[in-house]
Amino acid sequence: DIQMTQSPSTLSASVGGRVTITCRASQSISSWLAWYQQKPGKAPKLLIYKASSLESGVPSRFSGSGSGTEFTLTISSLQPDDFATYYCQQYDSYPLTFGGGTKVQIK
Amino acid sequence: QVQLVQSGAEVKKPGASVKVSCKASGYTFTGYYIHWVRQAPGQGLEWMGWINPKSGGINYAQRFKGRVTMTRDTSISTAYMDLSRLRSGDTAVYYCARAGDANGYHGYWGQGILVTVSS
Repeated sequence: DIQMTQSPSTLSASVGGRVTITCRASQSISSWLAWYQQKPGKAPKLLIYKASSLESGVPSRFSGSGSGTEFTLTISSLQPDDFATYYCQQYDSYPLTFGGGTKVQIK
Repeated sequence: QVQLVQSGAEVKKPGASVKVSCKASGYTFTGYYIHWVRQAPGQGLEWMGWINPKSGGINYAQRFKGRVTMTRDTSISTAYMDLSRLRSGDTAVYYCARAGDANGYHGYWGQGILVTVSS
């Protein structure tokens, strides 16, 4: 199975700040990576697919980059609605696997 | 608009089975795979498998093979996930999710249902 490792597991940031979350795959997954946002008690929401494609309706302050084994999710200017947990997920091979999550907290 | 509506919360005893449903609307049910993902309390996301609503074809995660069965009823645009021989570690929120244009990521999710396994 492909292991997905996210870092950091928790981060504190201020409104308006820039946030970068890293996701590393245990082997190359090309660009077959998605990012999700999850708020407490809610289902995950797709933000990014194919490493850098922004899902329709998702604000442009979210962006994704990377290929192979290293990927990043960047929030250019953190908004109050962005405090949540973020997960990466590979879909290069089965079983599909998720990172452990990064919780973004208010500083 | 695309919606996936899941059945209600369940409480089961160890060794029992649970069958959860996921009713799709707002799109052509047979056009997109349905995946099942679960999340134990306070934990991350775990993929369980998918079903192709058009053909009925399935792909289960190895760790659930033998215990999980995914089916669908195209006449009512509903997918089902049956998990047997439940144990306490199966206590989780179970989500159905519709695949995107590439069958790997999940663009739409059901609201999730909590399955509690307790004696």
